Amino acid sequence: EPEVTQTPSHQVTQMGQEVILRCVPISNHLYFYWYRQILGQKVEFLVSFYNNEISEKSEIFDDQFSVERPDGSNFTLKIRSTKLEDSAMYFCASSELTGSKDGYTFGSGTRLTVV
Amino acid sequence: RKEVEQDPGPFNVPEGATVAFNCTYSNSASQSFFWYRQDCRKEPKLLMSVYSSGNEDGRFTAQLNRASQYISLLIRDSKLSDSATYLCVVNMWGSYIPTFGRGTSLIVHP
Repeated sequence: EPEVTQTPSHQVTQMGQEVILRCVPISNHLYFYWYRQILGQKVEFLVSFYNNEISEKSEIFDDQFSVERPDGSNFTLKIRSTKLEDSAMYFCASSELTGSKDGYTFGSGTRLTVV
Repeated sequence: RKEVEQDPGPFNVPEGATVAFNCTYSNSASQSFFWYRQDCRKEPKLLMSVYSSGNEDGRFTAQLNRASQYISLLIRDSKLSDSATYLCVVNMWGSYIPTFGRGTSLIVHP
């Protein structure tokens, strides 16, 4: 079964440092997403990406965040100058279509710990 | 009003029981509906899409009530392995943003 791959599985970083979270979406999917989930809280939308550009973003996705699709397979989330409150599980997801009945496939996540 | 609301539970049921969860959504333009399952510290996994006519997959039945703006998930003959958090996800027509509910925790005990 096709899967979304995320690396690393766990990242520990010092406050103020930059981190890059990596994702390889399913190859025939066209829509890509980043979500985060703070421990014990709900899954929160960060950004969606289609046709090599951001299609929508949430209030959380401020200038500290950026996304990129540097090649035909990778999809990255960069967090500049990390803060303690950025500690969370970050999930990448992809879908063939948006809003289709096939839903969204999530990667296993990157646990980011900012110390 | 929150966009997608769920009773957080936990629902604590014995093996073999039938349990039902509801999820309400605020936007009447919502078009796609899903139930996801999330195990502790794992990613959400699609359990089933919810169709207008309702749909069933084994022990799981999903229903949509557009008039009252809620979807439901019924689990029959609960198994220990059904213990998880069940997430309601709603997508508005033309939106790229699936909106998640907070999730309902289910604990199935022997």
